[in-house]
Parts: sequence; structure tokens; C-alpha cells
Amino acid sequence: DAKTTQPTSMDCAEGRAANLPCNHSTISGNEYVYWYRQIHSQGPQYIIHGLKNNETNEMASLIITEDRKSSTLILPHATLRDTAVYYCIAMEYGNKLVFGAGTILRVKS
Amino acid sequence: GAVVSQHPSRVICKSGTSVKIECRSLDFQATTMFWYRQFPKQSLMLMATSNEGSKATYEQGVEKDKFLINHASLTLSTLTVTSAHPEDSSFYICSASPMTSGTQETQYFGPGTRLLVL
Repeated sequence: DAKTTQPTSMDCAEGRAANLPCNHSTISGNEYVYWYRQIHSQGPQYIIHGLKNNETNEMASLIITEDRKSSTLILPHATLRDTAVYYCIAMEYGNKLVFGAGTILRVKS
Repeated sequence: GAVVSQHPSRVICKSGTSVKIECRSLDFQATTMFWYRQFPKQSLMLMATSNEGSKATYEQGVEKDKFLINHASLTLSTLTVTSAHPEDSSFYICSASPMTSGTQETQYFGPGTRLLVL
């Protein structure tokens, strides 16, 4: 599966949109982009995933560039409870999730 | 939907004893479950893939005789840490994927089990 690159950390003001970037320049056509987050001392929580098209659910939006080499996870109105480590993973269906270091998102009041 | 539970949430044991951790998919069936380990300030590391009715597949460097995995049903997998030592102290997390149309889909994670070996 393709390697992903994410910033080490980001800050976001409470109530504002949090935009978390992810680079996956070697992603193959069969690989999906998955986003998970892990709040301190808890198991990871699934957020969203997509292949080519932008996706939106009740938690977030996923914007994937046309060449699929990068994507952005958008939390439209960040709250303090969104403070967590966010993981972007490129994975083909049926393969294993490989977690990198992720992005530490700190939402501040 | 897609809820995964783990039991116990935390356990303290003496060195040399064995500890069993259960992972259950509460509202779906999972042919495949996964076990991860996470040390402080590190990311999750996959330990093994558990398949219902067959032997687990272990990642390189994970001792299969030390970390026994049993996938007894489509909703239950267990991880037993045998002869635990202080270096086995960690956060153990399982995940499971609902099976639809024969393909593995999104993994959903349990809340984790914190093991402390004294």
C-alpha cells in the first residue's frame, strides 16, 4: 500500500474548520484513502474513506485531488472534543491498515 | 452500528501469568479481526490477523507462541498473552470488518485493553 505523509501537528480554533492535509503521491488506482482518529487512550475511530470522488458524512468531508496524489480531511466546525491524532491511510480493500505517525490536531478555545 | 467491544478494559497481572483479552463485534459478523499493540507515544502496530475457523497470521517479529489468538466465532476473537513480562505492558486494540459481498470493508476498532505486567 502507498505511503502517506502528514504534518506532525496542527492547531485549530474552536468553531472554525479544521483542514488536515495528506500526501499520497504513489497511491495506486485500487487504493482507497481512509481517515481514522484516535483520542487519547481510546481505540481509533473511523471517520471517512474515499476512492476518487469527494465524500461527506456526519463527521467530516474528504476532498481528493483529481490526480489522487493528495487529499484533505475537513472537520467543518471543530470542537475541543475533536482534539486527537488523525491518521490518513492508503489501503486496498482486503489489505491491512498500516498506521503512520498521523497529525496531532489541537483544537483551542 | 459497527460496534466493537473489548474486555477487560484494563488488567494488571504478575510477571509469568497469562492474560486473555476478548474482542467482540456486537452488531455485525466479522470473518476477519485484527490485533494491534500500541506503546506510549507510538503509533499502532499490527500484531496479527485473525480469521474465523483458521490459524491467525502473525506479523514479522510477533511470537505466535506468546500471543495466542483464537477466533472461535464470527463475533469473537481472543488474544492470550502467555507468560507475560513487564515488556509486554502495552495498549492492545482489536478491530473487525463487516463482511459484505465477500470483500473486507472498513475496519472498526475496539476501545482497547491496557495491560500492565508487574
